[in-house]
Amino acid sequence: DVKVTQSSRYLVKRTGEKVFLECVQDMDHENMFWYRQDPGLGLRLIYFSYDVKMKEKGDIPEGYSVSREKKERFSLILESASTNQTSMYLCASSLGGTSGSGEQYFGPGTRLTVT
Amino acid sequence: AQSVTQLDSHVSVSEGTPVLLRCNYSSSYSPSLFWYVQHPNKGLQLLLKYTSAATLVKGINGFEAEFKKSETSFHLTKPSAHMSDAAEYFCVVKSILTGGGNKLTFGTGTQLKVEL
Repeated sequence: DVKVTQSSRYLVKRTGEKVFLECVQDMDHENMFWYRQDPGLGLRLIYFSYDVKMKEKGDIPEGYSVSREKKERFSLILESASTNQTSMYLCASSLGGTSGSGEQYFGPGTRLTVT
Repeated sequence: AQSVTQLDSHVSVSEGTPVLLRCNYSSSYSPSLFWYVQHPNKGLQLLLKYTSAATLVKGINGFEAEFKKSETSFHLTKPSAHMSDAAEYFCVVKSILTGGGNKLTFGTGTQLKVEL
């Protein structure tokens, strides 16, 4: 079974703090993704990565950055946390290429509260 | 661009009655479509996927979905609801990106409530 783990289930940070969310997958997947989930808005893609050291902006990248130094690990960084970044953050991974189904495997999520 | 629209934000059914969660899609090519489920305080789990094979797709826990190109729909159904089906359900479409790889676009979700 694919396993995607996230470093924290719950996190509380203060406005202006730098925040790191870590994600690790154990299936040698090429692709990794960061989403945020808000009520009534579904999941929105923040950033994704096709390979080590590669990153692409998703639909809502403002206020976020990412790092992928190793294939299994994908980090989301909030340079200066703000209250409107209070949300559930979900990490996912999938096989690379375009011929596969595109199925993504999700971690349990990190609920971040910025006060 | 690929997109999906979930027509109901909340659906309430009685235990033992049928479930219908509606989803319409928009796609410029033959789409790959998914339904994911999220139980309270749990991660997202794949329920079923359509990838241009059989138009009636069977998933886990007795759920199935039918791809109807003429109606651009991919509705999720189950003959008899169980209390454990109470969760949020997401309809999802795959997009192939010009730079290679693919991404998923999620609908806004349907909250299913199952009552005794």
